[in-house]
Amino acid sequence: EAQVTQNPRYLITVTGKKLTVTCSQNMNHEYMSWYRQDPGLGLRQIYYSMNVEVTDKGDVPEGYKVSRKEKRNFPLILESPSPNQTSLYFCASSLSGGYFIQETQYFGPGTRLLVL
Amino acid sequence: KNQVEQSPQSLIILEGKNCTLQCNYTVSPFSNLRWYKQDTGRGPVSLTIMTFSENTKSNGRYTATLDADTKQSSLHITASQLSDSASYICVVSQYTGGGNKLTFGTGTQLKVEL
Repeated sequence: EAQVTQNPRYLITVTGKKLTVTCSQNMNHEYMSWYRQDPGLGLRQIYYSMNVEVTDKGDVPEGYKVSRKEKRNFPLILESPSPNQTSLYFCASSLSGGYFIQETQYFGPGTRLLVL
Repeated sequence: KNQVEQSPQSLIILEGKNCTLQCNYTVSPFSNLRWYKQDTGRGPVSLTIMTFSENTKSNGRYTATLDADTKQSSLHITASQLSDSASYICVVSQYTGGGNKLTFGTGTQLKVEL
């Protein structure tokens, strides 16, 4: 089944304790992206990757890191989490990031993070 | 500033009734407009994608319209079902050299009741 998976789905941590949220897709997509979703705000892009070893900042990259060593995986790293990073996080992938104008973006199930 | 505004913020309708959700945008240059359905606790799922040359697209009971001149879109849901209860998100895309940049609306929360 074609899908985007994220782990963990739920995470409670404390300020300053490094964490990684994994994201994997099995559709051989070039493009992957991370978003956060907060009440009253639309999804906001954190980082995206057009291909292996190619990453770029989205709208809200502060406090986050990413890496893209393999096509299928795109982990999100919080080196020193703070309470304002408490949010619902989504990973997404698509074939090319928009070169095919009507391509669909597939979202993972979300990771709910609470930073105390 | 590129923005996507949706209305109403929330809506309650009875099962079997129709409803229409609105999306106005200021994103430019425009590439395409997407409607997503997001069930509570789940990731968004694509319903329709339209380019500037398309003014209507259907997916089952969902019909999206686009007026690129007035920068407005609507999502019409016919014969609503309880399973239509979800947040509906309008997303406008602008193509940049680095791929499509997406601007998300905050969504319309739809509740379908018996």
